Amino acid sequence: DAKTTQPTSMDCAEGRAANLPCNHSTISGNEYVYWYRQIHSQGPQYIIHGLKNNETNEMASLIITEDRKSSTLILPHATLRDTAVYYCIVRVAAFAGNKLTFGGGTRVLVKP
Amino acid sequence: DTGVSQDPRHKITKRGQNVTFRCDPISEHNRLYWYRQTLGQGPEFLTYFQNEAQLEKSRLLSDRFSAERPKGSFSTLEIQRTEQGDSAMYLCASSLAREADTQYFGPGTRLTVL
Repeated sequence: DAKTTQPTSMDCAEGRAANLPCNHSTISGNEYVYWYRQIHSQGPQYIIHGLKNNETNEMASLIITEDRKSSTLILPHATLRDTAVYYCIVRVAAFAGNKLTFGGGTRVLVKP
Repeated sequence: DTGVSQDPRHKITKRGQNVTFRCDPISEHNRLYWYRQTLGQGPEFLTYFQNEAQLEKSRLLSDRFSAERPKGSFSTLEIQRTEQGDSAMYLCASSLAREADTQYFGPGTRLTVL
């Protein structure tokens, strides 16, 4: 699985969009970008994943650059409950992959 | 669907004692995973089952660790002769085999070895 690089921490204002970057310059053509988050004292929670096209669901949007070497997770209207550690994971898709390999993640603090 | 549950939520034990944790996955999920998480780090994979078969074990899973999923439903993780370095959060997750990337995690069992 490709290595990812994320900022250690970031703050954002409640109600504003939070843009979380992730670098994955060694990503292979068959590897997807996944985002999970972990709220304090809880297990990780799946957010979204994508291959090359931008993706959106009820939680967030995922923007992947054309060369696929980096991506941005966007929380459109951050709330205090979005305070968590956000993990960017790059790996081959289901069937071929089993374990999730978590890095250090980005600690996001949403401030009032 | 009540989600993934783990029991106990907290366990304090003395070095050298054996401990056992239980995980109940989402009922229709045939895959079950165990991870370990130490303070300030992301979760680390330990092992996973597809139904009752244990298909992969990490090198982190020393011979003091054993995991079972006897009927393909709940799973247990046992640590024998606990050491202080075993202190961590033990997380269980489950998924469908065809959607293995969307893993649903339980709240974890926090183990403290004194």
